[in-house]
Amino acid sequence: GQQLNQSPQSMFIQEGEDVSMNCTSSSIFNTWLWYKQDPGEGPVLLIALYKAGELTSNGRLTAQFGITRKDSFLNISASIPSDVGIYFCAGRNTGGFKTIFGAGTRLFVKA
Amino acid sequence: DVKVTQSSRYLVKRTGEKVFLECVQDMDHENMFWYRQDPGLGLRLIYFSYDVKMKEKGDIPEGYSVSREKKERFSLILESASTNQTSMYLCASSLRWTGGVGTQYFGPGTRLLVL
Repeated sequence: GQQLNQSPQSMFIQEGEDVSMNCTSSSIFNTWLWYKQDPGEGPVLLIALYKAGELTSNGRLTAQFGITRKDSFLNISASIPSDVGIYFCAGRNTGGFKTIFGAGTRLFVKA
Repeated sequence: DVKVTQSSRYLVKRTGEKVFLECVQDMDHENMFWYRQDPGLGLRLIYFSYDVKMKEKGDIPEGYSVSREKKERFSLILESASTNQTSMYLCASSLRWTGGVGTQYFGPGTRLLVL
């Protein structure tokens, strides 16, 4: 079945640094999603991308839908301690009910 | 705001027990989902329901069953819990749209330990 490769698995950064993480797939998706999960909570949607090449921002977060439709990246600028958590990418296709999730990138931010 | 609630945040059960995990959403969503989350594996879909009394198997349905008697409530049942079902269980709901499934909203999760 479809699988997503998300990297890196974890990141340890200093407050104020920029962060980049990405997701690749062996098959195409029509929609890419990025979620964040705070410790002890369920994932919350950060950004949804619906069109190849689309670049979307949400505050300090920017995500792009790859031209090939097989990849996406998420950037976080000027990280702060509350950015700590697990970031999941997810892919979905029109007409289906399945959303495929990556394994997650665990982000640690040192103040 | 969409609210998805799960009946328990933490559960400890013994091998062989029957376990019920309850999920309720308050936004009249047609679709509801159960996932399990394990380190390094991300979220894996157990079951999906697109309407009352309707269900579809996900990627890992073995050892689980579900019940959707009311639109707002979706239950996950472990008929005979086993230690390999120790995990974090996440419920989600979404609107149904013509393209398939809308954005999913997640509950806080239930962390289940089977001894």
